[in-house]
Amino acid sequence: DTGVSQDPRHKITKRGQNVTFRCDPISEHNRLYWYRQTLGQGPEFLTYFQNEAQLEKSRLLSDRFSAERPKGSFSTLEIQRTEQGDSAMYLCASSLEGGTQETQYFGPGTRLLVL
Amino acid sequence: AQSVTQLGSHVSVSEGALVLLRCNYSSSVPPYLFWYVQYPNQGLQLLLKYTSAATLVKGINGFEAEFKKSETSFHLTKPSAHMRDAAEYFCAVSSSGTYKYIFGTGTRLKVLA
Repeated sequence: DTGVSQDPRHKITKRGQNVTFRCDPISEHNRLYWYRQTLGQGPEFLTYFQNEAQLEKSRLLSDRFSAERPKGSFSTLEIQRTEQGDSAMYLCASSLEGGTQETQYFGPGTRLLVL
Repeated sequence: AQSVTQLGSHVSVSEGALVLLRCNYSSSVPPYLFWYVQYPNQGLQLLLKYTSAATLVKGINGFEAEFKKSETSFHLTKPSAHMRDAAEYFCAVSSSGTYKYIFGTGTRLKVLA
């Protein structure tokens, strides 16, 4: 069990640029989640995948955001035309369907700063 | 709808003193409750979870929490604080059949030497 990994750990970009983050879940986990955490707040749910199907998107996820999980393994989160308000920590988590009360295991996060 | 309230965004305790971090939840269905800890620039690590079994839940690093349905509370305690406990702590709620967690705003614990 190597845990959830995320890449990059830090990203600085200029307003208007596109960015893409990657998440590799725990290998046998079929559920994958993205959360966003702004300074001084708890994580907020963005989206959820079961295998390769994206089953829910939060209203927080504007049209500039897109997430994929093409083969049911790793996932990417892309933000187009970044805005300063997108600056946050983006957390990925995974869980095993039917596992112990669906405990979610979190990665280290990608911290995004939009200048 | 589910929600979590963490009272006290900052808590300071002396090393060796009791730690008490408060969490109250709102849920129309039996909840699952979780405490996570976050160290600076890191992700969230699970401390403990309540899943309708024993109401007193023991977790890692000497932490425990008690589920009190009548008070809709799930407070986190540790008998004796250690310097390494300084971190941010998040309470979260979910329920059977749901998959997303609803987190509180967090409590930053400071341990004084």
